[in-house]
Amino acid sequence: GENVEQHPSTLSVQEGDSAVIKCTYSDSASNYFPWYKQELGKRPQLIIDIRSNVGEKKDQRIAVTLNKTAKHFSLHITETQPEDSAVYFCAARGGSNYKLTFGKGTLLTVNP
Amino acid sequence: DAGVTQSPTHLIKTRGQQVTLRCSPKSGHDTVSWYQQALGQGPQFIFQYYEEEERQRGNFPDRFSGHQFPNYSSELNVNALLLGDSALYLCASSSTGTGNSPLHFGNGTRLTVT
Repeated sequence: GENVEQHPSTLSVQEGDSAVIKCTYSDSASNYFPWYKQELGKRPQLIIDIRSNVGEKKDQRIAVTLNKTAKHFSLHITETQPEDSAVYFCAARGGSNYKLTFGKGTLLTVNP
Repeated sequence: DAGVTQSPTHLIKTRGQQVTLRCSPKSGHDTVSWYQQALGQGPQFIFQYYEEEERQRGNFPDRFSGHQFPNYSSELNVNALLLGDSALYLCASSSTGTGNSPLHFGNGTRLTVT
């Protein structure tokens, strides 16, 4: 089955710096890659997603890149703010699969 | 526009008991998935329901079962509870008609088994 590895597990940055979180996946048939943000005690919320026919997608301060050949995708957050502090999860889905397979999460802390 | 709603928010049960969790999908969604999220981990897929049928199942024992109703709402049942079943149970809805529709999660039910 699909396996998603996520790094780093924790990331601490200064406000205004950029943050990058990386994920790799094992199933070459995967074609949908969402990123979720989960604040403490709250639901995971979709922040951006990318499909396999696109190499990069950007939404304001957030961007995601996908390298299908290497089977990895990354989340980039620029000009980080304290409210960006949360756990971020990457996930993959595809082929005949209906399920999302999640990484273990990255705890991002943005220090003021 | 109501999002995904789950009930109850918290639940405490004893080993061996049975529990039922409930979920109402986001308006316009017809597909419900259930995930288990242990502390400090990513959500793990339990199963997905569409057209009142279990469409796909993750690596969970038969003690975990579900149901989807004609109004698209869903229940998750867990029998013979174990301490290891303590977790946040998340319901997520989506629309099958749009293919790879994004999942929208509810706030979850925090289950504690003592």
